[in-house]
Amino acid sequence: GQNIDQPTEMTATEGAIVQINCTYQTSGFNGLFWYQQHAGEAPTFLSYNVLDGLEEKGRFSSFLSRSKGYSYLLLKELQMKDSASYLCAVLNDYKLSFGAGTTVTVRA
Amino acid sequence: DVKVTQSSRYLVKRTGEKVFLECVQDMDHENMFWYRQDPGLGLRLIYFSYDVKMKEKGDIPEGYSVSREKKERFSLILESASTNQTSMYLCASRRDRRYSNQPQHFGDGTRLSIL
Repeated sequence: GQNIDQPTEMTATEGAIVQINCTYQTSGFNGLFWYQQHAGEAPTFLSYNVLDGLEEKGRFSSFLSRSKGYSYLLLKELQMKDSASYLCAVLNDYKLSFGAGTTVTVRA
Repeated sequence: DVKVTQSSRYLVKRTGEKVFLECVQDMDHENMFWYRQDPGLGLRLIYFSYDVKMKEKGDIPEGYSVSREKKERFSLILESASTNQTSMYLCASRRDRRYSNQPQHFGDGTRLSIL
């Protein structure tokens, strides 16, 4: 089976940094994706990690440790538009298994 | 840019009706997926198709079927709708399993209410 855990909610102030953790136990692993989903909209792709280490993409970075079954998404210089749900998903062959998502609220 | 189009944003149907949700992608992707999204449960895979006329059950296929007669179109069918199928339904497509770093691209979703 697949088990993917992430916190339900996080709140942070505009301009701050927030780290969203994701732990997983899955029967197979072909990579880990992070998606952003604004309320009422489609999930959109943020990042992909398959090797251990940090991938940086502008204000967003994602880290993976395969031995620990652990990833995090780091959001820097938070903006109001970053208020959204962030979904951690593990790829196994064809299938993506998703965590329940973390709702991030950015306050002024 | 990849475009995944779902036929309806909002749909209201009655218990026992047969319901069709349509999804079309314009990037010649091999793989297509149907999910439902419920609060606190995240996205759960209903069915997927890795090629035309091929289909595989996902994690929650009961009460659903699918059809993929053409590469660009993937239909989800609720054979006899029930109130517990009220949900947000999301369609996604992906290039091919050989390209594991290629993400799934999602449609805007259909919010389905069964009365």
